[in-house]
Amino acid sequence: QVQLKESGPGLVQPSQTLSLTCTVSGFSLTSNSVHWVRQPPGKGLEWMGGIWGDGSTDYNSALKSRLSISRDTSKSQVFLKMNSLQTDDTAIYFCTKPYSGFNWFAYWGQGTLVTVSS
Amino acid sequence: DVVLTQTPVSLLISLGGQASISCRSSQSLVHSNGNTYLHWYLQKPGQSPQLLIYQVSNRFSGIPDRFSGSGSGTDFTLKISRVEPEDLGVYYCLQRTHNPDTFGAGTKLELK
Repeated sequence: QVQLKESGPGLVQPSQTLSLTCTVSGFSLTSNSVHWVRQPPGKGLEWMGGIWGDGSTDYNSALKSRLSISRDTSKSQVFLKMNSLQTDDTAIYFCTKPYSGFNWFAYWGQGTLVTVSS
Repeated sequence: DVVLTQTPVSLLISLGGQASISCRSSQSLVHSNGNTYLHWYLQKPGQSPQLLIYQVSNRFSGIPDRFSGSGSGTDFTLKISRVEPEDLGVYYCLQRTHNPDTFGAGTKLELK
């Protein structure tokens, strides 16, 4: 069955770079897109960006200058890198996948909490 | 960016009661292909969002018929009838018609 699992450091210092990994199973990255969504504690959801089956990427314009999404299809992993982190980047970071090539996000990882603090 | 305005911010409902949540968009969510990519999610405490309704009015697999979605253009509604304890949490609308995808700010459903 489809599964996604985020991993990464729980704590990042201000101005540093965040690196997260989404390890997936149950589907191929070459024919499915995977997206990142984040949620500051107690707040709402923000779509960050995604990588499509052909390897092309899409980013939220608000984050585009700091954000990079890539993948390793042989390892079934999708990566998020975001630089110049500030305290308001503290959030739970989720990876998510649309249902069977359709438009709606149906599968979500459990999320990983990233705290930006010195 | 498309702004989705959800109202109310919170709802106090008795078990067995009915809840209605509005999601209004700053622009039409009808895609050039004719589809409307407005979806609804429930996030229970400590959990990831779960898909309830896709494309305005279609219940996702396993979602009970107590949940229904309606609307068109810029105005959408999620209705929950016969509220049960497992329905409690924060409801979000999401539009994927226009880039970037945007979520509503959420509506918290609590028990009266």
